[in-house]
This record gives sequence, C-alpha cells and structure tokens, in this order.
Amino acid sequence: GNSVTQMEGPVTLSEEAFLTINCTYTATGYPSLFWYVQYPGEGLQLLLKATKADDKGSNKGFEATYRKETTSFHLEKGSVQVSDSAVYFCALSDNTGNQFYFGTGTSLTVIP
Amino acid sequence: DTGVSQDPRHKITKRGQNVTFRCDPISEHNRLYWYRQTLGQGPEFLTYFQNEAQLEKSRLLSDRFSAERPKGSFSTLEIQRTEQGDSAMYLCASSPGGLARGYTFGSGTRLTVV
Repeated sequence: GNSVTQMEGPVTLSEEAFLTINCTYTATGYPSLFWYVQYPGEGLQLLLKATKADDKGSNKGFEATYRKETTSFHLEKGSVQVSDSAVYFCALSDNTGNQFYFGTGTSLTVIP
Repeated sequence: DTGVSQDPRHKITKRGQNVTFRCDPISEHNRLYWYRQTLGQGPEFLTYFQNEAQLEKSRLLSDRFSAERPKGSFSTLEIQRTEQGDSAMYLCASSPGGLARGYTFGSGTRLTVV
C-alpha cells in the first residue's frame, strides 16, 4: 500500500541554521510527492511538489528532490528564519490522484 | 477567490449528540475532499466528491458519518451519535481536478466531544 514515513520531531534550530527533514515513502506505481506546511491555527498550505523522479520542487528557499532509488523526498533549507516555525507534512498522491497519504508531521521551532 | 471556508471553526458537543460541519470550496473547483486530523498525526482521507457525486469513501468513514455535496457546490459532513474518539480537526480541501495541481485546504473545524 501507500504510506509516508517522516522524521519525528520536534526539531529546534537557531536562526540561520541548515534544515533537513527526512521523508521516505512506499507506493505502488509512480506517485507525486508534496510538502505541506501548517502554521498554528491555520490549514495546510502547499509548500512544494514534484511529480516525477529526479524532479526538484522549490519554494521560499525550501527544496526537495524526488529520489526514486532511495524512495525519499527530504526537505531542506539552507538558512531558516523564525517565521519558518510550523509543522511540516510530507505527502504522496497515488496513481489515481484521488487522495493524499500524509506523514505524521514534523514540528519545527526556530529560535532567534 | 476567497479560499476554502469551513464553518464552524470550533465545535464542542456532548457524547451522543449529532454535529454537522460545512465546507465552501473555491467556486471553480469541481473536486472536494474531507480529511480528519487527530492530535500529532497527519490528515487521513475520509471521502471525496467530483461535482455532486461522492466517488470514494475511506473505511474510516463509519456508518455514523455522512457527507453530501448537493448541486456540486458546498458540502456538509454530519457525524451522528458522536463518540469521544471523534474528537479531531476535520479538514476540507478543494481542487480543480488532478492532484498534481495540488489542493487548497480550509482552516478546519476542530471538534471536541466531551
């Protein structure tokens, strides 16, 4: 079946530190991969996506590369800011495109 | 485009009562989805509609849950005879079709069953 495994949090970093949040997946066929972000009291917002192997999604300084050989989609940012504090969810959509499968989320706190 | 709206934002109810939530999708989006998110977990798929047709339901959607989307516009999710285990954030999302284009999520309805 389809599933996503995410690095457990919480993660606490100092401002300007390098961020990596690991995500691996199990899927049949050729899924699309996503990172969503959830700020306190808000819904989920799409951060970036990749629809095929070796694609790199990027947005707001965040990047993730779809690695089929390692079934991974790790999220990285070179220099985090306090405003990046949120919960980050890795997700995949299956071939049917009818639903998402989410990881459990990783809480990030960036301190000044 | 005002985004996806959900109402109410918060609902506290006594065990055994019925509750109904509403979702207004982005107007030109033909697909509408319901997800449930419990504390510390990622959202879990419940059901989705294409226009007014309910095309898929998760096994999580027990017979106490029912969702409708009359006329293919807004949707309601009703939970009958609520249980404490129903306490969660209920998220609605809409899309113009095709997940590669991504969803737009609402802010959710937080249900607490006491």
